[in-house]
This record gives sequence, structure tokens and C-alpha cells, in this order.
Amino acid sequence: DAGVIQSPRHEVTEMGQEVTLRCKPISGHDYLFWYRQTMMRGLELLIYFNNNVPIDDSGMPEDRFSAKMPNASFSTLKIQPSEPRDSAVYFCASSPRLAGMDNEQFFGPGTRLTVL
Amino acid sequence: DAKTTQPPSMDCAEGRAANLPCNHSTISGNEYVYWYRQIHSQGPQYIIHGLKNNETNEMASLIITEDRKSSTLILPHATLRDTAVYYCIVVYNQGGKLIFGQGTELSVKP
Repeated sequence: DAGVIQSPRHEVTEMGQEVTLRCKPISGHDYLFWYRQTMMRGLELLIYFNNNVPIDDSGMPEDRFSAKMPNASFSTLKIQPSEPRDSAVYFCASSPRLAGMDNEQFFGPGTRLTVL
Repeated sequence: DAKTTQPPSMDCAEGRAANLPCNHSTISGNEYVYWYRQIHSQGPQYIIHGLKNNETNEMASLIITEDRKSSTLILPHATLRDTAVYYCIVVYNQGGKLIFGQGTELSVKP
């Protein structure tokens, strides 16, 4: 398996523009996670899905952020409108399960977002 | 989930064992200890996890004290490629999320 795939790897946009980040999880993994990493706040969980259904979105910063998972092999994280403070590295991760043993998460390479 | 405490940074000589400590004094019986690492500019990578027994895999060993209030991750022969931030995370075994702290920045030096 190619691992978790994220695109684009780098995104530079201007304030007010819509940004869409994409993720393809590892085949067969039932859980998908979106994280954000900044110097100030570290690595934060934004939202996670189980079998394509959002389970916990308590980490989503505000209504400008939305995430979808239309099928088991694709998820998007959208920011509209984007602001400079959204500049961060966004990671997607997937896991075969959430609880108990063998629930390690596999992370993608991340998308580095810069909002000017 | 229980909170963890790690030293912010450590150095280790190449070829020597790196011993990274973690305190989790409020851990409950239903919580696992997980270790991840993040090499610069990459996504975090799973290393190892355990409940109460010591664990070993191809990457590292995990030593958990008998009272489970602390643990040590051991990289037996550190290489320059092991330079990374190491995160110790306590996870509830019935569906806990990964809550990343600040971790320990390990620098392996020649």
C-alpha cells in the first residue's frame, strides 16, 4: 500500500480564498483523522470519521472549516474563507480501529498551507 | 485521558542507547501508553505501545514501571536518522483520541 496520500503538498493562497485539502486513507482503514500543526499550538485533532461518518468535530476551529468523506477512499478539508491564521501544516491519518490494541494511526506527509 | 510529562529536549551520541522518559502519574487501568515520533517536516510515525508489560519491536523497547506511573522508550542504538520529536501519549482503550503534547526533541549527535 502507498500509505496515506495527501494533496496538494504545498498550497499558497490569498486571504479570503477557498482552500480544499485532500486525503486518501489506507485501504481497509475504517477511521480517518484530520490534524493541524502550528508552532504555537502543536499538533491538534480537528475531526475524525468512522466508516465515512463524522464522529467528533469538536476540534474544528470555526464554521469556516468543514470536512467531508463521501466514500471510504477520499476525504476533504475545506476552509472558506481562508485567513492568515489558518497557515499551518495539515495532516491526515487513518487507522484500522480506534480502541484497544493495534489502533495505531498512519499519517500522511501533510499539506503545508500558507495564507497571505 | 491522562496527562503526560516529558523533558523538552535530550541529546544522545550516535550508536548509544537513547532513553526517553515519560511521566503519566494519573494513568488509569484502562489506558495504554503510546509512543510516536515526528521527524522534521514529516507526519508522525507510530513506534510502540503497551498496557502494563514491557514491549519490544524492531524499532524500540518500552519499559513501563510496575505502578504504571511512568515509562521509558529505549532506542537501543541511536542513529542520526532517529533525530526527531518523540511523543508519549496515554490513550483510553475503549476509543481514546491521540492528544499530542509538546514531546521530547531528541538530537542524535555524531
